[in-house]
Amino acid sequence: VQLQESGPGLVKPSETLSLTCSVSGVSITNFYWSWIRQSPGKGLEWLGYIYYSGSTDYNPSLNSRVTISLDTSKNLVSLKLISLTAADTAVYYCASLGASSDFWGQGTLVTVSS
Amino acid sequence: IQMTQSPSSLSASERDRVTITCRASHNINNYLNWYQQKPGRAPKLLIYAASSLQSGVPSRFSGSGSGTHFSLSIDSLQPEDFATYYCQQSSSTPFTFGGGTKVDI
Repeated sequence: VQLQESGPGLVKPSETLSLTCSVSGVSITNFYWSWIRQSPGKGLEWLGYIYYSGSTDYNPSLNSRVTISLDTSKNLVSLKLISLTAADTAVYYCASLGASSDFWGQGTLVTVSS
Repeated sequence: IQMTQSPSSLSASERDRVTITCRASHNINNYLNWYQQKPGRAPKLLIYAASSLQSGVPSRFSGSGSGTHFSLSIDSLQPEDFATYYCQQSSSTPFTFGGGTKVDI
């Protein structure tokens, strides 16, 4: 199983971040798929997850700025985060959390700066 | 649910036994996982459900606890064990992680 995040490395403040996670080796119709971020030198923050049924759950700390979606035809998991600030600068990981599904991407660094 | 780890860092030597503790702000039963992270790498699951060893993880790693108090122990530290360790609760969303414990030489 491999997960590969992709997206812009640099985004301007107030703009929207769009990341995709290409999943291979397992269908995304299995498991819950999460996005997790890690600010430079800081700990881990869970942003939210999605199940193939379309059911989602998001971290309230993001104040409704986050949307996670699936493209089952392409086996992709996507993240959209709006109204970016410097505080959103982090390495973003897609992952499936769990004993039978501990799958993580390598992470992609997103810097928010003008 | 807030997760508080201690210590935030510790220095140890090869073959030492180390213990890291994690406290939850609310009862999470045994919905507690431990991850290891090395620089530039994604976290790796070591222990799930407080005390179950993830497949492929060496038996020198062990977890215990329930409710609000948990611990991760590493017997006989090996060179590859020097890393940062995080606890994470999966009892309720938003899932939350502890602040991490860096284990170095």
